[in-house]
Amino acid sequence: QVHLVQSGGGVVQPGGSLRLSCAASGFSLGGYGMHWVRQAPGKGLEWVAVISYDGRDENHADSVKGRFIISRDTSNNTLFLQMNSLRPEDTAVYFCAKDRFTPKVGSRVRTTTGFDYWGQGTLVTVSS
Amino acid sequence: EIVMTQSPATLSVSPGERATLSCRASQYIRDNLAWYQQKPGQAPRLLIYGASTRATGIPARFSGSGSGTDFTLTISSLESEDFALYYCQQYNKWPPVTFGQGTKVEMK
Repeated sequence: QVHLVQSGGGVVQPGGSLRLSCAASGFSLGGYGMHWVRQAPGKGLEWVAVISYDGRDENHADSVKGRFIISRDTSNNTLFLQMNSLRPEDTAVYFCAKDRFTPKVGSRVRTTTGFDYWGQGTLVTVSS
Repeated sequence: EIVMTQSPATLSVSPGERATLSCRASQYIRDNLAWYQQKPGQAPRLLIYGASTRATGIPARFSGSGSGTDFTLTISSLESEDFALYYCQQYNKWPPVTFGQGTKVEMK
């Protein structure tokens, strides 16, 4: 049974840093791409970042590029989002999500077919 | 970046009635579209992928259609637990994947 349990988050001042964690169970991070998606209060969903199943590629939304870094620890089956230089507009609930696509081992194809499991979400508030 | 536009913003429907939600892509996306349901305080739940394939455990009253730029999510007979927000997502040309702004299905 797949579970994604998030931790981290909280209140931070502008310019500060925070690290979010997403502990996966029921599957291996080494077999699937993983994403972060955020949702500002009362707003829609915004994709933030992805790390490929083999960990060789990461991509970040332009709005967070150069400030946020997605990473993972396969030995602990945990996904991370390191958030630096935080701004008030980064205030949101952050979700980790598992990619539905099952890549072939060794494949360099980077694709997605939707996000089939999501963490419970964690609130990040950037305010002085 | 592909822009996804959903309509209407709010749909008022009575239980047992049919609900039809629309999603339009700013560019051709084949059938690389997913639909999600989100209830207050919860994470989104995948309903449909590939524009028309129901995800595991999704009831048959949910159906998706469309290809290219215009897509539809239909809920054939609304049940009380279906009142929620619905988002479409394109994954044809990414990153970034992009979401529509959402349609709220509320009780009439």
